[in-house]
Amino acid sequence: DVKVTQSSRYLVKRTGEKVFLECVQDMDHENMFWYRQDPGLGLRLIYFSYDVKMKEKGDIPEGYSVSREKKERFSLILESASTNQTSMYLCASRPSLPRAFFGQGTRLTVV
Amino acid sequence: QQQVKQSPQSLIVQKGGISIINCAYENTAFDYFPWYQQFPGKGPALLIAIRPDVSEKKEGRFTISFNKSAKQFSLHIMDSQPGDSATYFCAASRNDYKLSFGAGTTVTVRA
Repeated sequence: DVKVTQSSRYLVKRTGEKVFLECVQDMDHENMFWYRQDPGLGLRLIYFSYDVKMKEKGDIPEGYSVSREKKERFSLILESASTNQTSMYLCASRPSLPRAFFGQGTRLTVV
Repeated sequence: QQQVKQSPQSLIVQKGGISIINCAYENTAFDYFPWYQQFPGKGPALLIAIRPDVSEKKEGRFTISFNKSAKQFSLHIMDSQPGDSATYFCAASRNDYKLSFGAGTTVTVRA
């Protein structure tokens, strides 16, 4: 069965901290994505990667960076966490066919 | 700015009733229109999807209706059940595999 695993379900971080959100997929998919989910705004794309070491900005990349050193792992980095980055973060992976598989999400609270 | 506009934000339906969620888009380059279902504490999961060369697709109690000229598509949930209570997201994609999501609709089915 398809599996996308996010390392943490809940995180609480302080303003200014550097935060790492990890995502691993076991399906050998080329494409991986990071979204944030906020009430009334749906899912907004932060960054995506279509191959190892390749990345592209999504719709809201400001304040974030990503790393993909291995095909199965895609990390989202908050360089200096701020309270407006409190959100649910969802990782997804996708093969060449246009169907995305999501992890269960990381609820990040920045205090 | 959201590329896919979804309504209503929430709806309540009696068991056995019909739930209808509507989405509209502007970008005529979109060629794939999925619907995702999300239960509390879980990531979204693909429910049903359609391509613009067909006007309707049905899978069990779930039907997508697609109107290419109006740039609108909708999800109908027939014979709604309490287990259908969830948040539903419409989305659209071009051939670059990035998904643009609507804001989401919370459906509550009352027994």
